[in-house]
Amino acid sequence: KAGVTQTPRYLIKTRGQQVTLSCSPISGHRSVSWYQQTPGQGLQFLFEYFSETQRNKGNFPGRFSGRQFSNSRSEMNVSTLELGDSALYLCASSGLGTEETQYFGPGTRLLVL
Amino acid sequence: QKEVEQDPGPLSVPEGAIVSLNCTYSNSAFQYFMWYRQYSRKGPELLMYTYSSGNKEDGRFTAQVDKSSKYISLFIRDSQPSDSATYLCASGYGNKLVFGAGTILRVKS
Repeated sequence: KAGVTQTPRYLIKTRGQQVTLSCSPISGHRSVSWYQQTPGQGLQFLFEYFSETQRNKGNFPGRFSGRQFSNSRSEMNVSTLELGDSALYLCASSGLGTEETQYFGPGTRLLVL
Repeated sequence: QKEVEQDPGPLSVPEGAIVSLNCTYSNSAFQYFMWYRQYSRKGPELLMYTYSSGNKEDGRFTAQVDKSSKYISLFIRDSQPSDSATYLCASGYGNKLVFGAGTILRVKS
């Protein structure tokens, strides 16, 4: 089974721009979660989608948004980028009934200049 | 206070040593406990998970949970340089999963 894939792997943006990151879950997985990882804060939960609906949301500003498509692929968007948004953005998928067992993709490393 | 606390290290040990990695959690509702390993420039990889107090062993790895003291441990026996990575503990319930900050482990050959 192919793992979780994320594109792009690396991204450089400037302050004020917006960015869209993509995640393809493991085949058959319908739950997709997004995390932000930074050296100072560790792994922080952004949001989780299941069957195209946002099921959970972390404590991030509204500049961070996401969506999920009918094929379970998910995107997250960050608008009006700030320097502090520089981080590794990780996507994880899990299967029905085993939501606690999350499988992570390699992440997208975002650098905001 | 963070719901899951973990010493970030780094922890440096010689090859062959027994490694002990620890976390504490504060939420009594947490029902499952996990350890992830993350190599540099990679996503976290699920190493072990358990739902109950006690020990769970998998090869050189043993996960230990003490719900009475809200303490989670991972032991690595006969540590190898290839074990050098960041180890993240995680706890949660339902589909809520909270991660510790991660401990950087370096195994020197």
